[in-house]
Order: sequence, then C-alpha cells, then structure tokens
Amino acid sequence: DIQMTQSPSSLSASVGDRVTITCQASQDINKYLNWYQQKPGKAPKLLIYDASNLETGVPSRFSGSGSGTDFTFTINSLQPEDIATYYCQQYDSIPRFGPGTKVDIK
Amino acid sequence: QVQLVESGGGVVQPGRSLRLSCAASGFTFSSYTMHWVRQAPGKGLEWVALISHDGSNKYYADSVKGRFTISRDNSKNTVDLQMDSLRGEDTAVYYCARDNSWYRATYIQYWGQGTLVTVSS
Repeated sequence: DIQMTQSPSSLSASVGDRVTITCQASQDINKYLNWYQQKPGKAPKLLIYDASNLETGVPSRFSGSGSGTDFTFTINSLQPEDIATYYCQQYDSIPRFGPGTKVDIK
Repeated sequence: QVQLVESGGGVVQPGRSLRLSCAASGFTFSSYTMHWVRQAPGKGLEWVALISHDGSNKYYADSVKGRFTISRDNSKNTVDLQMDSLRGEDTAVYYCARDNSWYRATYIQYWGQGTLVTVSS
C-alpha cells in the first residue's frame, strides 16, 4: 500500500503570507496526486489535480508542483477564506488521502 | 448542476447492518466512477470504496473489505453502500463522490453533503 505523509500537520500564518504544504508518497506515484480543501462542517473541494493543474474556478493563488514522491502545495497570498484543512490524495493505486494540514490565521 | 444526495445514515448497534444510498443528478451517471469516502469525528478523510461506471470494477479499503459492498443502479442513478458487521470505528460522516473518470480512480470533482453513521450500543 502507498502511504502518504503531509507536513506540517498545522500552521498559522498572516493574511498575505505565502503558505507551503508538502506531501510525500511512500513510492513513486508519477503525477497522480490531487489537493483538496475542506472547511469545517463542509464537504471537501478539489483545488489541484494531477499535481499541478488548477481546477476550474479555483483562484490562481493556489498552486501545486512535484512528481514522483515529493509534492508541494502553495497558497501565494493567504486570505481569510482560506482557513481550512488541506489534504493530498494519491491515485496511483487505490486512492489514499494524506493526514491533512490545518491552516489558521495568525 | 451536479447533485449528490446521501441518505440512510443513523444510529446502529455494533455488529448490525446499515445501507447508505446516494441519488445522483445533473450528469450522465452511467459515465462515471463513483466513490464513498468517510470522515470520523475530528479526523481526516478516509477513502472507503469505488465502483466503475458499469459496476464491473469495485475496490475497497482494507479497513472495510469483506464487510462493506458497493453497488450501483444506472437505471435509477443511485450508488449504494451496504455496511455489515459494523464496528465503533466505522462511526463517521460518509460522503458519496463522483470521480472524473469512467473506469478508475483519478480525482474527485463532486461531493455530496454527507450522512452521519454512528455505531453505538
């Protein structure tokens, strides 16, 4: 089974800051990696698919990069509405989500 | 617009069964892989099961294999999750979700609002 790790598990940043989250797979998953945002009490929302493709309608301050085992998710200028938990998800084999990163405003 | 509406959640005793259903609308249901994903209270997302567009391929998380069964009825635009031998650790919000692909898992573009299953005596 492919295991996913994310870091950090939580972070606090100021409005306007650049925020970076990393996701690591236990084996090569090519670019089969997606990123989701989940706000409290809500269903997750797809932000990035295939490691670096921005889903339609998602603000351009969100971006993703990486391939193989190491991936990065970036919010270029943190906004108050970005407070949420962010999950990576691989689909090289059966789907598996990372443990999540909770993002707060400092 | 795409809508996924789950039903069937509730409180059930350990060892008993429960069947969740998801009604889909706003897209050609028979063309997409469907998933069930769950989230225990205060925990992260856990993928549970998927079924390909025509029901020919089904995959399960190890934690539910042999206890849960996913099925679909393309004539009714529904996908179900039969949950048997329920355990306390199955307590979660269960989300129905639509993949972008017709035959495998890729990325999940649409999610339902979720239905809560509580396993407790």
